[in-house]
Amino acid sequence: DTGVSQDPRHKITKRGQNVTFRCDPISEHNRLYWYRQTLGQGPEFLTYFQNEAQLEKSRLLSDRFSAERPKGSFSTLEIQRTEQGDSAMYLCASSPSSGSFYEQYFGPGTRLTVT
Amino acid sequence: AQTVTQSQPEMSVQEAETVTLSCTYDTSESDYYLFWYKQPPSRQMILVIRQEAYKQQNATENRFSVNFQKAAKSFSLKISDSQLGDAAMYFCAYRMLTGTASKLTFGTGTRLQVTL
Repeated sequence: DTGVSQDPRHKITKRGQNVTFRCDPISEHNRLYWYRQTLGQGPEFLTYFQNEAQLEKSRLLSDRFSAERPKGSFSTLEIQRTEQGDSAMYLCASSPSSGSFYEQYFGPGTRLTVT
Repeated sequence: AQTVTQSQPEMSVQEAETVTLSCTYDTSESDYYLFWYKQPPSRQMILVIRQEAYKQQNATENRFSVNFQKAAKSFSLKISDSQLGDAAMYFCAYRMLTGTASKLTFGTGTRLQVTL
């Protein structure tokens, strides 16, 4: 399957712990996005990479959040000192940088539960 | 800032019938894209249909069509001949035409139930 993959699919952690999520985009896509989706809400933009460069970060991305995309391939999203408010589905999407629509293809998400 | 509003938290339709999901948005841009995404339970989000704001013709994809009213900033989705597999959360989304981010701004979603 050549779609966007995310790992893990589910993560339960205790408040104060650090967690890291991984996203593998579609191989020929050089744009990668992270979104957060809380219960009953639509996804909210967190950050965006073009190749290895992080070009935009939302104000939602506090200092406890860091995202990387080394070598412009997979990306990781780390949350330090997790809080209960971090419980959400974290979605990754990738898109090509050519063409009119830059259609974003979404992964299945990582559901984080902070206890 | 751009905002997207979906005022119908839940909708229900009988199989083979037609249903319309509503979406309004707010933007000061004149050119942009609008999308409808489908998120089935426990499955990933997929693109259903897209519309360029500079096109007057409403987009159509098989049983899915949109009613795009630019002046009213309205973008509704019509699903014809509804099928059980159409049951899902549907999100309306907006994206600027220009700029490097091309991030999507989503509404809160409409949960569609399809009954026999």
